[in-house]
Amino acid sequence: NAGVTQTPKFQVLKTGQSMTLQCAQDMNHEYMSWYRQDPGMGLRLIHYSVGAGITDQGEVPNGYNVSRSTTEDFPLRLLSAAPSQTSVYFCASSTALGRFSYGYTFGSGTRLTVV
Amino acid sequence: KNEVEQSPQNLTAQEGEFITINCSYSVGISALHWLQQHPGGGIVSLFMLSSGKKKHGRLIATINIQEKHSSLHITASHPRDSAVYICAVEEGGATNKLIFGTGTLLAVQP
Repeated sequence: NAGVTQTPKFQVLKTGQSMTLQCAQDMNHEYMSWYRQDPGMGLRLIHYSVGAGITDQGEVPNGYNVSRSTTEDFPLRLLSAAPSQTSVYFCASSTALGRFSYGYTFGSGTRLTVV
Repeated sequence: KNEVEQSPQNLTAQEGEFITINCSYSVGISALHWLQQHPGGGIVSLFMLSSGKKKHGRLIATINIQEKHSSLHITASHPRDSAVYICAVEEGGATNKLIFGTGTLLAVQP
């Protein structure tokens, strides 16, 4: 089925460990983004990409890295996990840059706990 | 002050009631999105609006660009409508970035 695939769905990390959250879409969308969702707050943008080879920081980028080597994939890397990064992470994609999008498609989310 | 404000934060309704959730924003936008999130679940896009009104089944979304306000209405509410409804605005320009409200938790009781 077409859409955004996120893996893993759940993950527990120890402080200081590193990991990569995977995000893949098969809709040929130019725009991909990572958000985190914390209780009592709206989703916040971590990093985004407007196309292969192009990434930029969002509102809360510290502690995260991204790359976009292909149109399909946009992995999010936690370099050294901290308890403050305990959150639910969503990947989203859309098309039609430069004007309003044709809507967003979200992945199913990754629930990350850092102990 | 948040750039996107939703009200109410929590809403409990009886099955069959007409429900309205409001969203106000303070930035210039190219579009506004209404999203639905079930407990422990992913996020589903309900509507994208740049003007006027859209209807899908029992859901209706309206936007007033001049007043920077949007409403999501649910007619004949049902317990399966219970979810968090999120308003998000799309900034204009080349990035299509979204700014999210904190969501409205709706519980529809049978």
